[in-house]
Amino acid sequence: DTGVSQNPRHKITKRGQNVTFRCDPISEHNRLYWYRQTLGQGPEFLTYFQNEAQLEKSRLLSDRFSAERPKGSFSTLEIQRTEQGDSAMYLCASSFALEYEQYFGPGTRLTVT
Amino acid sequence: ELKVEQNPLFLSMQEGKNYTIYCNYSTTSDRLYWYRQDPGKSLESLFVLLSNGAVKQEGRLMASLDTKARLSTLHITAAVHDLSATYFCADFQGAQKLVFGQGTRLTINP
Repeated sequence: DTGVSQNPRHKITKRGQNVTFRCDPISEHNRLYWYRQTLGQGPEFLTYFQNEAQLEKSRLLSDRFSAERPKGSFSTLEIQRTEQGDSAMYLCASSFALEYEQYFGPGTRLTVT
Repeated sequence: ELKVEQNPLFLSMQEGKNYTIYCNYSTTSDRLYWYRQDPGKSLESLFVLLSNGAVKQEGRLMASLDTKARLSTLHITAAVHDLSATYFCADFQGAQKLVFGQGTRLTINP
């Protein structure tokens, strides 16, 4: 297991379309996080899971956004009716609950045209 | 969510010089992270500082944490071009999430 993986790495979509991203965490990591990073800014927290339970959601996560982690392993982040303001890098990270390091994946870069 | 502030936001320096990036945070957290990001890439963990007075060093980078002042520093010694990147500090808030600073874009010129 070489680390956190994310797919796709790049996604270009037209405004109004739905998109779904996938994150595969490091094996046996029970915490999984989603962050969003816009150009020139630091990453912003979106949501996190402990096992399959979604424990916190940021106010940034409008009702067009939904995240799932159905079996406590991989996670998906869906954006419905995309807007140009959704263009960003979406980063996934994972960790053990009792350890300190969060390991980041390579990210999915979304461009909404 | 409480803010994390870095300064400077942009730093251009010559190879061989020393400099320090400052990170102020507002929580009572005793856990502070430093990450490096190259253009178009994800985040690489540099240091995790877990207690007041913690100091960690890796190569030309040294990080420290003062929880009473709510201040962390990242010191660069005898900079080399390969250290050019954006550096982020992040505070672990609510035992749940990282809150990042704006980042410091570091350019090291020959």
